[in-house]
Amino acid sequence: AQSVTQPDIHITVSEGASLELRCNYSYGATPYLFWYVQSPGQGLQLLLKYFSGDTLVQGIKGFEAEFKRSQSSFNLRKPSVHWSDAAEYFCAVGRGSTLGRLYFGRGTQLTVWP
Amino acid sequence: EAGVAQSPRYKIIEKRQSVAFWCNPISGHATLYWYQQILGQGPKLLIQFQNNGVVDDSQLPKDRFSAERLKGVDSTLKIQPAKLEDSAVYLCASSLRTEMFYGYTFGSGTRLTVV
Repeated sequence: AQSVTQPDIHITVSEGASLELRCNYSYGATPYLFWYVQSPGQGLQLLLKYFSGDTLVQGIKGFEAEFKRSQSSFNLRKPSVHWSDAAEYFCAVGRGSTLGRLYFGRGTQLTVWP
Repeated sequence: EAGVAQSPRYKIIEKRQSVAFWCNPISGHATLYWYQQILGQGPKLLIQFQNNGVVDDSQLPKDRFSAERLKGVDSTLKIQPAKLEDSAVYLCASSLRTEMFYGYTFGSGTRLTVV
């Protein structure tokens, strides 16, 4: 069965510091991986996605993520965090090439100190 | 393009009452999803429609939840009777095509509180 683990429930960083949010997945075949961001009272916005090819993918708002098959990980990174990045971040995995159910992790809440 | 519209934004009801949520997907999007997001958890799929047909409702508590998508456009999700554990944000999402590459777009959700 598919599952997604985000081991950090809450992360606090200072503005301008680098950020890495961890995500590990469990899926037998090649996964389709996503990172979403959710601001308070808002829906989920897609940051980036990985299907195949280059294992380092670039997304919106200066985010990037690296797929590491050997570690079953898809960690999200940003070199310099802005106060507006404070939100909840969700990693998700889908299966197959046909869009359907996404399996989400529990989310990581990011707090940014000025 | 307009996003996925959901209403109401907030709803408070007493347990055992009924409630309905409405979703209007992005124009032309054939696939529509309802997700339930309980506080402290990631979203969980309740039901997926392709046009007006159900593709996946394996996680829908059918004894109390129902959903329909008449004419393959708008969708309504109903809970009757509601339980305390139904308190959650109900997210609607839609996608243009079925290929995973396209991903999908979420609405802002309806926050339900059952007291």
